[in-house]
Formats: sequence, structure tokens, C-alpha cells
Amino acid sequence: KQEVTQIPAALSVPEGENLVLNCSFTDSAIYNLQWFRQDPGKGLTSLLLIQSSQREQTSGRLNASLDKSSGRSTLYIAASQPGDSATYLCASRPGFSGGYNKLIFGAGTRLAVHP
Amino acid sequence: DTEVTQTPKHLVMGMTNKKSLKCEQHMGHRAMYWYKQKAKKPPELMFVYSYEKLSINESVPSRFSPECPNSSLLNLHLHALQPEDSALYLCASSQPPGQGTSYEQYFGPGTRLTVT
Repeated sequence: KQEVTQIPAALSVPEGENLVLNCSFTDSAIYNLQWFRQDPGKGLTSLLLIQSSQREQTSGRLNASLDKSSGRSTLYIAASQPGDSATYLCASRPGFSGGYNKLIFGAGTRLAVHP
Repeated sequence: DTEVTQTPKHLVMGMTNKKSLKCEQHMGHRAMYWYKQKAKKPPELMFVYSYEKLSINESVPSRFSPECPNSSLLNLHLHALQPEDSALYLCASSQPPGQGTSYEQYFGPGTRLTVT
């Protein structure tokens, strides 16, 4: 059974720092992996999706990498801003037929960026 | 347009009430999802509809009844809920199954449900 773990659970940093959020998964047979952002009491916003055949994806100040063999993904946030404060969730999508519609979520990393 | 809308934003209901949550998308997605999220926890999958047919039910109690009347709409009918059912209910949609589909899910803003 796939388990997804995110470290750290919480992070507080001053504005301007470069950050690395970690996600690990136990079953490397994934279809793809998706990173989300969630503001308190709100829905999830998709940030990046990495296919199992890809090594990384970039969007603006965000860069996500994937190492399937080691069961790890990282989300890199460059030059953090207070507006980046949110919970970041990673979710793996199983690689077997019938599992593609299921996302397995980690517990999230709560990020606070202070001015 | 990558928007999923949900109504209402907030709902307070008694344990004997019947209410419904509504979700709508106009992205041409043919898979739609209901999730339940408790505070400080990740979302938990409840139901998946694929091509308007229920394909996954994660052993959800029968007091939650999903319905997919057409490819754009998804409802969740609620009846005889318990206080522990209070949570944020999230709807999501994704591309239909097919070669090269990423199944990237797009989420709505959620309905905050309180059961008294």
C-alpha cells in the first residue's frame, strides 16, 4: 500500500530564503506526482505535475523534481515571499490500471514566510 | 477556464436535515471526485465518477449519496449526518481516461459543512 510522507511538517522562514520541501513515497510504481498548495479553509491549487518519465518541472519560482527509484520528490521555492505562506501537499498517483483516479496524499508541509 | 465551482460555501445542518452540495465544471472533464477534509489533515477520497458512472466508492456511509446528473455536474446528497461529519467537502475534476492523459485534478474551493 502506497504511503506518502512529507518532511518537515511545518516550516517558518524569513522572506527571501530559498526553500526545499520533501516528499517521499514507498511504492515507486507511480503514474505521476502532483504538488498542491492549500490556503486555510480553501480548496487545493495544483502547482506542478510530474509524469513518471520526467525528472523535473518548473513554473515561475517553483521547481519540482522526481526520483522514482529512490521514491522521492522535492519542491523548491526560490526567493520566498509572505504570499507563499500556505500548506503544500504532494500526492502520488498509482501506476496501475484502475488506480489512476486515486491520489495518495501526504500530510502536508505548513509553510510560514515572515517579512 | 480551469475553474471548478462549489455551492454553497458554508452549510450548517441539523442531524435530521436533508441537504445537498453541488459542484460544477466546464472543462470537458469526464471524471469527477468528492473528497472530505478534516482540519489539518489531507483530503480523503470519498467517490469517483467516470463518464457519469460511479467507479469508486471508498466505503462511505450511506448517509452520503452522490449523484452525477450530467458530465458537468456532481451532487452530494446528505441525510441524517453526525457531528463528526463536519468537515470541508471538496470537489475535483480531471481529464477523461485515454492515452497520454495526466489525470491532473482541479479542485473547487470547497463547502464548509457543520453538523449540529
